[in-house]
Amino acid sequence: GESVGLHLPTLSVQEGDNSIINCAYSNSASDYFIWYKQESGKGPQFIIDIRSNMDKRQGQRVTVLLNKTVKHLSLQIAATQPGDSAVYFCAENIRSGGYQKVTFGTGTKLQVIP
Amino acid sequence: KAGVTQTPRYLIKTRGQQVTLSCSPISGHRSVSWYQQTPGQGLQFLFEYFSETQRNKGNFPGRFSGRQFSNSRSEMNVSTLELGDSALYLCASSGRGAGETQYFGPGTRLLVL
Repeated sequence: GESVGLHLPTLSVQEGDNSIINCAYSNSASDYFIWYKQESGKGPQFIIDIRSNMDKRQGQRVTVLLNKTVKHLSLQIAATQPGDSAVYFCAENIRSGGYQKVTFGTGTKLQVIP
Repeated sequence: KAGVTQTPRYLIKTRGQQVTLSCSPISGHRSVSWYQQTPGQGLQFLFEYFSETQRNKGNFPGRFSGRQFSNSRSEMNVSTLELGDSALYLCASSGRGAGETQYFGPGTRLLVL
């Protein structure tokens, strides 16, 4: 079956260090992956995305790596700041007949230690 | 451009009642999806609407329904509320839906007593 899972439910990182949040997926038909950040009391906020024809994409302080061989996705946050504390979700998007099906992982809570 | 808006933000209902939640997508977006978020189940897909038609549906009972209007605004309805329906209901919009990023609203927090 298809599933998106996260390896670690909680990640504690010292302020200034780099954070790496991992995600495994099982559906090889997934063609688009998205990372979302959700702060307490808010809806998920888009961070960065990557299509299946890429293996790396960089944004501002964030990098997403995609390894299709082992069906693994990671989000790297450089110089982690207190404002990065949130729950991070990976999501996989499968296009089928012009429609999309988005499956979310369970989420990883990132705690930044000042 | 204004983001996705949802009303109301908070709602308290009792078992057996029904509730209607509203979502206004980003201007120009035609696809609206609804999700239920709970601590135990995470984010679960309810349904997606595009051009007033439901084109994708998750595994929820028929008590959960929705609709979309010609201006792309969407509503979802839950009838005969159960305690387990307490959750954060999130709406997300995208341009066409297929392969495009979804942008989420702040959600409606529903508490069923």
